[in-house]
Amino acid sequence: AQSVAQPEDQVNVAEGNPLTVKCTYSVSGNPYLFWYVQYPNRGLQFLLKYITGDNLVKGSYGFEAEFNKSQTSFHLKKPSALVSDSALYFCAVRDRGSTLGRLYFGRGTQLTVWP
Amino acid sequence: DADVTQTPRNRITKTGKRIMLECSQTKGHDRMYWYRQDPGLGLRLIYYSFDVKDINKGEISDGYSVSRQAQAKFSLSLESAIPNQTALYFCATSDPDPKRTDTQYFGPGTRLTVL
Repeated sequence: AQSVAQPEDQVNVAEGNPLTVKCTYSVSGNPYLFWYVQYPNRGLQFLLKYITGDNLVKGSYGFEAEFNKSQTSFHLKKPSALVSDSALYFCAVRDRGSTLGRLYFGRGTQLTVWP
Repeated sequence: DADVTQTPRNRITKTGKRIMLECSQTKGHDRMYWYRQDPGLGLRLIYYSFDVKDINKGEISDGYSVSRQAQAKFSLSLESAIPNQTALYFCATSDPDPKRTDTQYFGPGTRLTVL
């Protein structure tokens, strides 16, 4: 079975401080991992993905994510948060051994960056 | 993402009515998906289609049907709408790239309210 857990419904951080949005996953094989962001009244936008190789993945808007196989985690990070980063963030996983393209999403984490 | 469009963007309907949500894409992708988003539940897959002749049920297909009219068009129908189908509906597309990661790209969503 494949699943994703985002243990925090909300993350609050001050502008300029580093931020982390947590994600852990469960797949039967090796994963492809994704982060998406949803701004109010908008669809989901792709941020970054982990395929293979370097465990630190860099994405859009200064975000990065660290893949940790032993902890089955893929936490999203940014060194210095902006108020405009406030949005709903989703982690998603796909078993790379599967021929199916479907993704399994976490429940989302609402990030609020206050001035 | 302007490459994936959904109509209507908002819809209010009554219990028992039949409604159709439409999705069109100009990305040239073969694979298309319908998800619903409910607060605190993340995104759940309703149906997916890997080409015009291939349609598959997702995890919550009961009460829904789909039609893949062309590579670029994928419609979702609620045959007899009920209030617990009130949700935000997203269409997505993907193309199996050489690494087979199937990154998905989302439309802006349709907010459906069933009274």
